[in-house]
Amino acid sequence: KAGVTQTPRYLIKTRGQQVTLSCSPISGHRSVSWYQQTPGQGLQFLFEYFSETQRNKGNFPGRFSGRQFSNSRSEMNVSTLELGDSALYLCASGGRSNTGELFFGEGSRLTVL
Amino acid sequence: AQRVTQPEKLLSVFKGAPVELKCNYSYSGSPELFWYVQYSRQRLQLLLRHISRESIKGFTADLNKGETSFHLKKPFAQEEDSAMYYCALSGGYQKVTFGTGTKLQVIP
Repeated sequence: KAGVTQTPRYLIKTRGQQVTLSCSPISGHRSVSWYQQTPGQGLQFLFEYFSETQRNKGNFPGRFSGRQFSNSRSEMNVSTLELGDSALYLCASGGRSNTGELFFGEGSRLTVL
Repeated sequence: AQRVTQPEKLLSVFKGAPVELKCNYSYSGSPELFWYVQYSRQRLQLLLRHISRESIKGFTADLNKGETSFHLKKPFAQEEDSAMYYCALSGGYQKVTFGTGTKLQVIP
């Protein structure tokens, strides 16, 4: 069974640009969550999608958005990038039982210059 | 609101010594608690969850509702235990809140 796949793995952007990150969950998983990981803050919850609906949202500004497609693949978008958005963005898919067990991808490392 | 606190950023122990990684939580309902681990150059993965009451790689964790704690313990540390450990809480619907993590360093 293939794991969670995130693309791209690395990217460099400049302030003011926007970025789109992609996540393919484990086959059969309908929940996809996004986290921002930084050395100082650890993992911070961005949002969670289930069957194309945003079910939970963290405390991030509106510049951070996401969506989920009918095949459960998800994208997140960050507009008007700031230096502080530099981080590892992790995607995680959840199984059918809603137990809170998450399966993580390797992440997309974003550097904003 | 749900919150997870891991007070130690770094914990260094000698091989063979006991390990205790601390985790305290704040949640008004009945949470599910987890420990996740990230070994060097590997993705974050589930180590154990409180409802399973199992021991994984020699690690155990007991949920103490009175003290709102979920400390991770191992009686004898091994070098391969060196990793980043995250305590996590789920209040349902896959909204999982993580602590800031504790780096465990096992000294040979």
